[in-house]
Amino acid sequence: EAGVAQSPRYKIIEKRQSVAFWCNPISGHATLYWYQQILGQGPKLLIQFQNNGVVDDSQLPKDRFSAERLKGVDSTLKIQPAKLEDSAVYLCASAHRISYNEQFFGPGTRLTVL
Amino acid sequence: GIQVEQSPPDLILQEGANSTLRCNFSDSVNNLQWFHQNPWGQLINLFYIPSGTKQNGRLSATTVATERYSLLYISSSQTTDSGVYFCAVERDVQAGTALIFGKGTTLSVSS
Repeated sequence: EAGVAQSPRYKIIEKRQSVAFWCNPISGHATLYWYQQILGQGPKLLIQFQNNGVVDDSQLPKDRFSAERLKGVDSTLKIQPAKLEDSAVYLCASAHRISYNEQFFGPGTRLTVL
Repeated sequence: GIQVEQSPPDLILQEGANSTLRCNFSDSVNNLQWFHQNPWGQLINLFYIPSGTKQNGRLSATTVATERYSLLYISSSQTTDSGVYFCAVERDVQAGTALIFGKGTTLSVSS
C-alpha cells in the first residue's frame, strides 16, 4: 500500500512570495490533516478535512494560508505572501476515518523563507 | 487545551543499553501514538496504543489511560534508534481529532 505522498520535498522562496504544497493521502483515507513543524518542536495542526469539507481550521492563519481538498482526495496548501516565520516543515497526514484511528504522515515539505 | 509532556527531553546511550521514555497527558484521549522522527524528518509510526501494552521487536509500549500516561521501552538500543521520539494524543472528537504532540525526546545512541 502506497503511503502519503507530498511534493515538493524542499522549497526556498523570498519573503512576500507565494508557495503551494501538494498532498495525496493513502487510498481510501477520508480524513486529511496539514501540520506545521517548526524546528525543535512537535507538529501542530493547521487544518483538518473530512472528505472535501473542513473540520477544523481554527489554527490556520487565514490572512495568508489557504487549503483545499476539492474532490475529497488530494489537497493543496498555499501561503501568500510568505513571511520569515513560515520557515518550517509542512506535513500532511491521513487517516481512514475521523476518529479513533491511526494517522500516517507523508515525508513533508521543508520550506525556507529568505 | 490538553497538555502533553514528554520526559526526558534528551537521552544519550551507549549501544546495547535499555531506555524508557515517558509521556504524560492532562485529559482523557481517544487515541495515543508514538512516532520516531528520523534524521530526514520522516515521522515513522511506532505504536497506535490508546490503552494496554504492545510489542514490536525491541520496542514495546504501555498506555495506562486511567492514569494518563504512556511509556515507550527501547531494549538493546542501536545507533539507528537515534532521532526524536514523539508522543501524540487525539483529542475528543468534538474538538477536532488532530493529534496533539509533545515536545519530543531526542535520543542519541553511540557505538
